Amino acid sequence: AQSVTQLGSHVSVSEGALVLLRCNYSSSVPPYLFWYVQYPNQGLQLLLKYTTGATLVKGINGFEAEFKKSETSFHLTKPSAHMSDAAEYFCAVSDRGGSQGNLIFGKGTKLSVKP
Amino acid sequence: DGGITQSPKYLFRKEGQNVTLSCEQNLNHDAMYWYRQDPGQGLRLIYYSQIVNDFQKGDIAEGYSVSREKKESFPLTVTSAQKNPTAFYLCASNQQGLGGYTFGSGTRLTVV
Repeated sequence: AQSVTQLGSHVSVSEGALVLLRCNYSSSVPPYLFWYVQYPNQGLQLLLKYTTGATLVKGINGFEAEFKKSETSFHLTKPSAHMSDAAEYFCAVSDRGGSQGNLIFGKGTKLSVKP
Repeated sequence: DGGITQSPKYLFRKEGQNVTLSCEQNLNHDAMYWYRQDPGQGLRLIYYSQIVNDFQKGDIAEGYSVSREKKESFPLTVTSAQKNPTAFYLCASNQQGLGGYTFGSGTRLTVV
């Protein structure tokens, strides 16, 4: 069965510092991997996704993630944090691999950005 | 613009009442989903439907019911059997083969 683990329920960085949000997955088939962002009292918005091909994926708002099969990881990074990046971030994996399955979500990481 | 509309944004329910949350999409997506979100617990799948007139239970279906009579609509009823319904409810849709969901803006349900 597929699963997702997000390390750290809460991460705090200073404005301008590197953002690193960790995600490890378990999948018995080649995974499709996703990162979503959620602002308070709103739905989730897709930041980026890995399907096939290039393992470094660029998303919106300057975020990127790298699929590392050997480490079963899909960590989210941004070189320089902005105050507007404060939100909750969810990593997800498809439960049957590829694009056909339902998404399994991690428990989320809340990012705080200090001025 | 295409998207998913959830209504109402805020909903208050008295104990013992059934309430229905609306979810409508104009993306022509086949699959639709309902999730419940509680602080620190991530998203938990309630029900999903991959085609009209068919739906499956998710991980926490007890106390909830759904219907899928039209492709565009997937309403969720929170019944009186759901003992702790206060939560944020999210609806999503997906076109199989594209990967990734589109989410609505959510409904916050509070029992008073």
